[in-house]
Amino acid sequence: AQSVTQLGSHVSVSEGALVLLRCNYSSSVPPYLFWYVQYPNQGLQLLLKYTSAATLVKGINGFEAEFKKSETSFHLTKPSAHMSDAAEYFCAVSGVGNQFYFGTGTSLTVIP
Amino acid sequence: EAGVAQSPRYKIIEKRQSVAFWCNPISGHATLYWYQQILGQGPKLLIQFQNNGVVDDSQLPKDRFSAERLKGVDSTLKIQPAKLEDSAVYLCASIGTSAWRGELFFGEGSRLTVL
Repeated sequence: AQSVTQLGSHVSVSEGALVLLRCNYSSSVPPYLFWYVQYPNQGLQLLLKYTSAATLVKGINGFEAEFKKSETSFHLTKPSAHMSDAAEYFCAVSGVGNQFYFGTGTSLTVIP
Repeated sequence: EAGVAQSPRYKIIEKRQSVAFWCNPISGHATLYWYQQILGQGPKLLIQFQNNGVVDDSQLPKDRFSAERLKGVDSTLKIQPAKLEDSAVYLCASIGTSAWRGELFFGEGSRLTVL
């Protein structure tokens, strides 16, 4: 079975500060992991995905995530937060048969 | 390439009424999903189709929810009768057959308010 846990339902950072959103996964098979972003009144769009090619994955808008098997983690980071990064972020894992399991989400607030 | 289309974007109904949502996935995408997203929560899978067959509907409340994808292209999700707790955003997503463990593409969602 696959699942993800996102630690911290709300994160606030100052503009220009480091963004760190946490995700831990559980998977009985080598996982494929994803981070999605959701802006108000919109659907989810893909930020980045890990598919075992490289442990450090770079995505759109300056975000990146590192797969750490020993810690079963896939944390999302961005060196310098921008006001436009304020949104809801979801970690997800895919399993057999293209079944996707989402975390409960982390709301990011960027303080000017 | 056109994205996943959903309609209506917003719907307000009273409890015990019925409602239907429509989704047209990206052209050629064989797998289609309906998710329910309650405010403050992550998307919860309701049903997954592969072409016109159901892959997983274990979390679909079948006493009031139904979904179909008759020709393996567009899909309709129906709720009858609606309850207050059905207030949520209903998201449709699709994935291509060649994209094994690829990414989901989401529509903008249909927001349902049940009064």
